[in-house]
Amino acid sequence: SSELTQDPAVSVALGQTVRITCQGDSLGGYSASWYQQKPGQAPVLLIYGKNKRPSGIPDRFSGSTSGNTASLTITGAQAEDEADYYCKSRDTSANHPHIFGTGTKVSVL
Amino acid sequence: QVQLQESGPGLVQASETLSLTCTVSGGSIRSNYWNWIRQPPGRGLEWIGYIYSTGITNYSPSLTSRVTISIDTSKNEFSLKLTSVTAADTAVYFCARGDREDQGATTWFDPWGQGTLVTVSS
Repeated sequence: SSELTQDPAVSVALGQTVRITCQGDSLGGYSASWYQQKPGQAPVLLIYGKNKRPSGIPDRFSGSTSGNTASLTITGAQAEDEADYYCKSRDTSANHPHIFGTGTKVSVL
Repeated sequence: QVQLQESGPGLVQASETLSLTCTVSGGSIRSNYWNWIRQPPGRGLEWIGYIYSTGITNYSPSLTSRVTISIDTSKNEFSLKLTSVTAADTAVYFCARGDREDQGATTWFDPWGQGTLVTVSS
Protein backbone atom coordinates (compact mmCIF):
# COMPACT_ATOMS: atom_id res chain seq x y z
CA SER A 1 0.00 0.00 0.00
CA SER A 2 1.04 3.62 -0.51
CA GLU A 3 2.00 6.12 2.12
CA LEU A 4 1.92 9.91 2.14
CA THR A 5 4.93 11.39 3.90
CA GLN A 6 5.04 14.91 5.34
CA ASP A 7 7.69 16.71 7.37
CA PRO A 8 6.67 16.48 11.05
CA ALA A 9 7.13 20.17 11.78
CA VAL A 10 8.02 23.46 10.09
CA SER A 11 8.20 27.02 11.33
CA VAL A 12 7.61 30.32 9.57
CA ALA A 13 8.04 33.93 10.57
CA LEU A 14 4.91 36.03 10.70
CA GLY A 15 4.14 37.38 7.23
CA GLN A 16 6.58 35.07 5.46
CA THR A 17 5.95 32.14 3.13
CA VAL A 18 6.06 28.45 3.99
CA ARG A 19 5.63 25.38 1.83
CA ILE A 20 4.43 22.06 3.21
CA THR A 21 5.10 18.98 1.11
CA CYS A 22 3.41 15.60 0.81
CA GLN A 23 5.24 12.78 -0.97
CA GLY A 24 3.73 9.54 -2.18
CA ASP A 25 3.67 7.25 -5.20
CA SER A 26 -0.12 7.55 -5.52
CA LEU A 27 0.13 11.29 -6.20
CA GLY A 28 1.18 10.47 -9.73
CA GLY A 29 -2.39 9.35 -10.42
CA TYR A 30 -4.53 10.88 -7.67
CA SER A 31 -4.62 14.51 -6.64
CA ALA A 32 -4.16 15.66 -3.05
CA SER A 33 -6.51 17.62 -0.88
CA TRP A 34 -5.29 19.60 2.12
CA TYR A 35 -6.77 20.06 5.60
CA GLN A 36 -6.01 22.36 8.51
CA GLN A 37 -6.64 21.16 12.05
CA LYS A 38 -6.40 23.30 15.14
CA PRO A 39 -6.26 21.77 18.64
CA GLY A 40 -9.55 20.27 19.73
CA GLN A 41 -11.23 21.00 16.40
CA ALA A 42 -12.23 19.04 13.34
CA PRO A 43 -10.11 19.31 10.20
CA VAL A 44 -11.12 21.97 7.67
CA LEU A 45 -10.73 21.58 3.91
CA LEU A 46 -8.28 24.11 2.46
CA ILE A 47 -7.42 22.94 -1.06
CA TYR A 48 -8.67 20.29 -3.48
CA GLY A 49 -8.21 19.41 -7.12
CA LYS A 50 -6.15 21.80 -9.21
CA ASN A 51 -5.63 24.45 -6.53
CA LYS A 52 -9.32 24.97 -5.74
CA ARG A 53 -10.33 26.64 -2.47
CA PRO A 54 -13.73 26.25 -0.80
CA SER A 55 -15.64 29.42 -0.07
CA GLY A 56 -14.20 31.25 2.91
CA ILE A 57 -10.64 29.95 2.62
CA PRO A 58 -8.17 32.85 2.27
CA ASP A 59 -6.23 33.07 -0.97
CA ARG A 60 -2.93 32.98 0.92
CA PHE A 61 -3.40 29.19 0.81
CA SER A 62 -2.48 27.56 -2.51
CA GLY A 63 -1.71 24.07 -3.74
CA SER A 64 0.39 22.50 -6.47
CA THR A 65 1.72 19.11 -7.54
CA SER A 66 4.89 18.05 -9.29
CA GLY A 67 5.36 14.38 -9.97
CA ASN A 68 4.84 12.45 -6.76
CA THR A 69 4.96 15.51 -4.50
CA ALA A 70 2.02 17.74 -3.58
CA SER A 71 2.63 21.07 -1.89
CA LEU A 72 0.60 23.48 0.18
CA THR A 73 1.95 27.02 0.29
CA ILE A 74 0.98 29.67 2.80
CA THR A 75 1.95 33.09 1.45
CA GLY A 76 2.08 35.71 4.19
CA ALA A 77 1.53 33.42 7.17
CA GLN A 78 -0.71 34.74 9.92
CA ALA A 79 -0.71 33.84 13.60
CA GLU A 80 -3.99 31.98 13.13
CA ASP A 81 -2.33 29.67 10.60
CA GLU A 82 -0.49 27.87 13.40
CA ALA A 83 -2.02 24.40 13.19
CA ASP A 84 -1.55 20.85 11.95
CA TYR A 85 -1.85 20.29 8.21
CA TYR A 86 -2.71 17.01 6.51
CA CYS A 87 -2.75 15.95 2.89
CA LYS A 88 -5.13 13.28 1.66
CA SER A 89 -5.21 11.19 -1.48
CA ARG A 90 -6.02 7.67 -2.55
CA ASP A 91 -3.96 4.49 -2.50
CA THR A 92 -3.10 2.66 -5.68
CA SER A 93 -3.90 -0.72 -4.13
CA ALA A 94 -7.14 -2.64 -4.71
CA ASN A 95 -10.30 -0.58 -4.10
CA HIS A 96 -8.17 2.57 -3.90
CA PRO A 97 -8.78 3.43 -0.26
CA HIS A 98 -8.31 6.96 0.94
CA ILE A 99 -5.09 7.74 2.81
CA PHE A 100 -3.93 10.69 4.89
CA GLY A 101 -0.46 12.11 5.13
CA THR A 102 1.49 11.89 8.36
CA GLY A 103 0.77 15.53 9.18
CA THR A 104 2.87 18.69 9.56
CA LYS A 105 2.80 20.97 12.59
CA VAL A 106 3.24 24.59 11.46
CA SER A 107 4.50 27.09 14.00
CA VAL A 108 4.24 30.82 13.25
CA LEU A 109 7.04 32.73 14.96
CA GLN B 1 -25.30 24.42 4.62
CA VAL B 2 -24.68 20.74 5.31
CA GLN B 3 -23.78 19.86 8.88
CA LEU B 4 -22.76 16.53 10.37
CA GLN B 5 -23.06 15.40 13.99
CA GLU B 6 -21.61 12.24 15.50
CA SER B 7 -23.33 10.48 18.38
CA GLY B 8 -22.81 7.36 20.42
CA PRO B 9 -21.25 5.99 23.62
CA GLY B 10 -18.05 7.62 24.77
CA LEU B 11 -16.88 4.50 26.58
CA VAL B 12 -16.73 0.97 25.19
CA GLN B 13 -15.45 -2.15 26.91
CA ALA B 14 -12.57 -3.99 25.33
CA SER B 15 -13.61 -6.86 23.03
CA GLU B 16 -17.05 -5.33 22.51
CA THR B 17 -18.47 -3.39 19.55
CA LEU B 18 -18.12 0.34 19.03
CA SER B 19 -21.24 1.89 17.46
CA LEU B 20 -21.55 5.46 16.24
CA THR B 21 -24.08 7.37 14.15
CA CYS B 22 -23.59 10.46 12.01
CA THR B 23 -26.67 12.60 11.40
CA VAL B 24 -26.65 14.79 8.31
CA SER B 25 -28.66 18.02 8.29
CA GLY B 26 -29.08 20.77 5.71
CA GLY B 27 -28.74 18.42 2.75
CA SER B 28 -29.60 14.98 1.43
CA ILE B 29 -27.57 11.91 2.22
CA ARG B 30 -28.56 10.56 -1.21
CA SER B 31 -25.81 12.64 -2.77
CA ASN B 32 -22.06 12.21 -2.35
CA TYR B 33 -20.42 9.52 -0.23
CA TRP B 34 -20.07 9.47 3.51
CA ASN B 35 -16.92 8.75 5.47
CA TRP B 36 -15.67 7.79 8.89
CA ILE B 37 -12.21 8.94 9.97
CA ARG B 38 -10.53 8.57 13.36
CA GLN B 39 -7.65 10.19 15.22
CA PRO B 40 -5.99 8.56 18.24
CA PRO B 41 -4.96 11.05 20.93
CA GLY B 42 -1.92 13.03 19.82
CA ARG B 43 -1.69 11.24 16.49
CA GLY B 44 -2.68 11.67 12.86
CA LEU B 45 -5.84 11.03 10.87
CA GLU B 46 -6.84 7.53 9.75
CA TRP B 47 -9.53 6.90 7.17
CA ILE B 48 -11.88 4.08 8.19
CA GLY B 49 -14.26 3.76 5.25
CA TYR B 50 -17.11 5.21 3.23
CA ILE B 51 -20.60 4.43 2.03
CA TYR B 52 -22.81 5.64 -0.80
CA SER B 53 -26.58 5.92 -0.48
CA THR B 54 -26.79 2.85 -2.72
CA GLY B 55 -25.05 0.89 0.02
CA ILE B 56 -21.74 0.56 -1.78
CA THR B 57 -18.93 0.56 0.77
CA ASN B 58 -15.15 0.74 0.82
CA TYR B 59 -13.08 0.07 3.93
CA SER B 60 -9.50 0.59 5.02
CA PRO B 61 -7.58 -2.65 4.41
CA SER B 62 -6.28 -2.53 7.99
CA LEU B 63 -9.80 -2.45 9.46
CA THR B 64 -11.95 -4.24 6.89
CA SER B 65 -12.32 -7.43 8.96
CA ARG B 66 -13.87 -5.49 11.87
CA VAL B 67 -15.75 -2.60 10.24
CA THR B 68 -19.28 -2.22 8.95
CA ILE B 69 -20.70 1.06 7.70
CA SER B 70 -24.43 1.29 7.01
CA ILE B 71 -26.80 4.02 5.86
CA ASP B 72 -30.41 4.94 6.57
CA THR B 73 -31.59 7.37 3.92
CA SER B 74 -34.99 7.79 5.60
CA LYS B 75 -33.28 9.22 8.68
CA ASN B 76 -30.48 10.99 6.75
CA GLU B 77 -27.86 9.23 8.82
CA PHE B 78 -25.11 6.67 8.50
CA SER B 79 -23.45 4.49 11.08
CA LEU B 80 -20.20 2.81 12.03
CA LYS B 81 -19.72 -0.50 13.79
CA LEU B 82 -16.26 -1.64 14.84
CA THR B 83 -16.06 -5.05 16.48
CA SER B 84 -13.60 -6.57 18.95
CA VAL B 85 -12.21 -3.22 20.05
CA THR B 86 -8.97 -2.81 21.97
CA ALA B 87 -7.21 0.16 23.55
CA ALA B 88 -5.70 0.90 20.14
CA ASP B 89 -9.20 1.87 18.95
CA THR B 90 -9.38 4.72 21.45
CA ALA B 91 -9.70 7.83 19.28
CA VAL B 92 -11.76 10.81 18.25
CA TYR B 93 -14.09 9.57 15.53
CA PHE B 94 -15.14 12.01 12.79
CA CYS B 95 -17.69 11.69 10.04
CA ALA B 96 -17.32 13.68 6.82
CA ARG B 97 -18.99 14.14 3.46
CA GLY B 98 -16.94 13.02 0.48
CA ASP B 99 -16.95 14.49 -2.99
CA ARG B 100 -15.16 13.61 -6.20
CA GLU B 101 -14.43 14.69 -9.75
CA ASP B 102 -12.26 13.57 -12.64
CA GLN B 103 -13.69 10.04 -12.33
CA GLY B 104 -12.43 9.77 -8.77
CA ALA B 105 -8.90 11.00 -9.38
CA THR B 106 -9.77 14.07 -7.33
CA THR B 107 -11.49 13.56 -3.98
CA TRP B 108 -12.04 15.63 -0.89
CA PHE B 109 -13.86 15.61 2.47
CA ASP B 110 -16.02 18.59 3.41
CA PRO B 111 -17.64 19.30 5.78
CA TRP B 112 -16.65 17.31 8.86
CA GLY B 113 -18.51 16.66 12.06
CA GLN B 114 -17.03 17.99 15.29
CA GLY B 115 -15.85 14.53 16.31
CA THR B 116 -16.59 12.35 19.28
CA LEU B 117 -14.07 10.76 21.63
CA VAL B 118 -14.47 7.05 22.16
CA THR B 119 -12.39 5.45 24.90
CA VAL B 120 -11.93 1.70 25.06
CA SER B 121 -11.76 0.50 28.63
CA SER B 122 -10.27 -2.78 29.79
